Amino acid sequence: SAVISQKPSRDICQRGTSLTIQCQVDSQVTMMFWYRQQPGQSLTLIATANQGSEATYESGFVIDKFPISRPNLTFSTLTVSNMSPEDSSIYLCSFLTSGGAYTQYFGPGTRLTVL
Amino acid sequence: AQTVTQSQPEMSVQEAETVTLSCTYDTSESDYYLFWYKQPPSRQMILVIRQEAYKQQNATENRFSVNFQKAAKSFSLKISDSQLGDAAMYFCALHGNKLVFGAGTILRVKS
Repeated sequence: SAVISQKPSRDICQRGTSLTIQCQVDSQVTMMFWYRQQPGQSLTLIATANQGSEATYESGFVIDKFPISRPNLTFSTLTVSNMSPEDSSIYLCSFLTSGGAYTQYFGPGTRLTVL
Repeated sequence: AQTVTQSQPEMSVQEAETVTLSCTYDTSESDYYLFWYKQPPSRQMILVIRQEAYKQQNATENRFSVNFQKAAKSFSLKISDSQLGDAAMYFCALHGNKLVFGAGTILRVKS
């Protein structure tokens, strides 16, 4: 399967600032996703990153807070804007395999701590 | 709506023994896929095994196998010959129109 990487792996940020997380896949993929995993909890889908169009956000997540870019079929970014301590989480990107296998693979995650 | 329920917050197993993790789900989709992911402390989500709902045969991957009961909407994971490296959080997941995760089960392996 394709290899997926994320940068940074972790960061500590001050409240009110923004952080952009990068996700790179080593082959072209149609669908990419961003998830949040709050401490001790399961994964929650933030949005689906569509190449060439606006991201599709899940209920409870808005573009102003989590702007997403998808400039090509191998790369996406998630920005966490105007951060507060409640944004402290692991953020994971994921891609869906093509060909109808409907299997998602995940990046290594970015651990964000907001002070 | 899609839901996934893992009723065991934590399980323990002795090294070399067998353990079964439970999962039930609900979906209105006729075509769907079920997965078990493993998340060790490194936080990397690792695909353990997948099952297509239209297949009656239970999936197996080396020491990992599933018991898929479609009518009961049950999808349990059996780990045979447990190893210390199996210790992790295990998530059951369902993909109907999107991927939905259960709350997870922490698996501890005792030496």
